[in-house]
Amino acid sequence: QQQVKQSPQSLIVQKGGISIINCAYENTAFDYFPWYQQFPGKGPALLIAIRPDVSEKKEGRFTISFNKSAKQFSLHIMDSQPGDSATYFCAAKETNAGKSTFGDGTTLTVKP
Amino acid sequence: EAQVTQNPRYLITVTGKKLTVTCSQNMNHEYMSWYRQDPGLGLRQIYYSMNVEVTDKGDVPEGYKVSRKEKRNFPLILESPSPNQTSLYFCASSLFYGSYEQYFGPGTRLTVT
Repeated sequence: QQQVKQSPQSLIVQKGGISIINCAYENTAFDYFPWYQQFPGKGPALLIAIRPDVSEKKEGRFTISFNKSAKQFSLHIMDSQPGDSATYFCAAKETNAGKSTFGDGTTLTVKP
Repeated sequence: EAQVTQNPRYLITVTGKKLTVTCSQNMNHEYMSWYRQDPGLGLRQIYYSMNVEVTDKGDVPEGYKVSRKEKRNFPLILESPSPNQTSLYFCASSLFYGSYEQYFGPGTRLTVT
């Protein structure tokens, strides 16, 4: 049973465009929703995260939108740059749980 | 520099030949875990450790062993590797079991022929 579903699997965006990646979860006990960014040859690194008590969190060009009733959250990358080309993973975690449950990942390519 | 290190980074081996992938962190983290990453399947947890001498199974533990004799080290052992264990492996650590942020190592690409 996949608890976090991520889409699309791959995404190609022109430089300056908006990249949008979506995730949906099933477990209502999840209360922390991070996004990880992974460059080729590197491990995932925390990019931005949100708790369900807010509907949006913005850090620079990166924004998480969260819809608790729909059990969905998304990552928006504004003014996408070639340097943003990477694989992005959404994840979800329960308080006091050790592991995060990850989505399948989205490979983002930003064309110059 | 705070980091998680893994060795080796790349490994090609044959079916049945025991191997160990090492993981070490210098952040004094209590919680460590191993994930495997496969195309279309995301990151799946293999084993985790809440502290020294405390380990438990994750979602896909079959065919793997771990040990945690020191706080900083958490090796992954494949006693009889099989081709279906060909994958990209990541070690991760967190301050403690319920911590939100995980820090990942650079990965170990394993090929079993």
